[in-house]
Amino acid sequence: DQQVKQNSPSLSVQEGRISILNCDYTNSMFDYFLWYKKYPAEGPTFLISISSIKDKNEDGRFTVFLNKSAKHLSLHIVPSQPGDSAVYFCAASGQTGANNLFFGTGTRLTVIP
Amino acid sequence: DSGVTQTPKHLITATGQRVTLRCSPRSGDLSVYWYQQSLDQGLQFLIQYYNGEERAKGNILERFSAQQFPDLHSELNLSSLELGDSALYFCASSRHITGGFGAEAFFGQGTRLTVV
Repeated sequence: DQQVKQNSPSLSVQEGRISILNCDYTNSMFDYFLWYKKYPAEGPTFLISISSIKDKNEDGRFTVFLNKSAKHLSLHIVPSQPGDSAVYFCAASGQTGANNLFFGTGTRLTVIP
Repeated sequence: DSGVTQTPKHLITATGQRVTLRCSPRSGDLSVYWYQQSLDQGLQFLIQYYNGEERAKGNILERFSAQQFPDLHSELNLSSLELGDSALYFCASSRHITGGFGAEAFFGQGTRLTVV
């Protein structure tokens, strides 16, 4: 049962344009959401997170939006750069004391120079 | 370099065999997490240890077991291996046991297990 879903396995964007990666979740108990970035032959690295008490969190070129009513979050990258090409995983966590993260299947972003 | 070390990087073994994957967390991190990534699957949480004790269990098969030693390194033991166990196994570590998982979680490069 996939509680966190990334329905787009891949996305291609021109350099300089906006990349929008989407993620949906089913468990209303999730209260903390994260995006991880993964390059080939490396482990995932933390990118940005958002708590359920917020609807937006921004860090440089990266912004995460959370729509709790729709159980949907998105990651915006503006402007996109070739170095952003990687697999992006959405993850969710919930309930104080529960440390296991539930990951989506990932979206492969390709930024075309 | 995340500071989390996993060995070996690659492992090829036959069905029915048993293997041990090793993880050394970042210095000072007390929590260790194990994840499995199969083909076309997201990262599936297996198990978490905090300071030597099991703290959370996910979709870990009974054929799999883990432990965390006094020096905080962890081992994931996989036995009676099946073809379907072929996957990338990631270890992650963090300092805290509750909340704030995000920025404090660091992943190793993973061990690619191939069962033939």
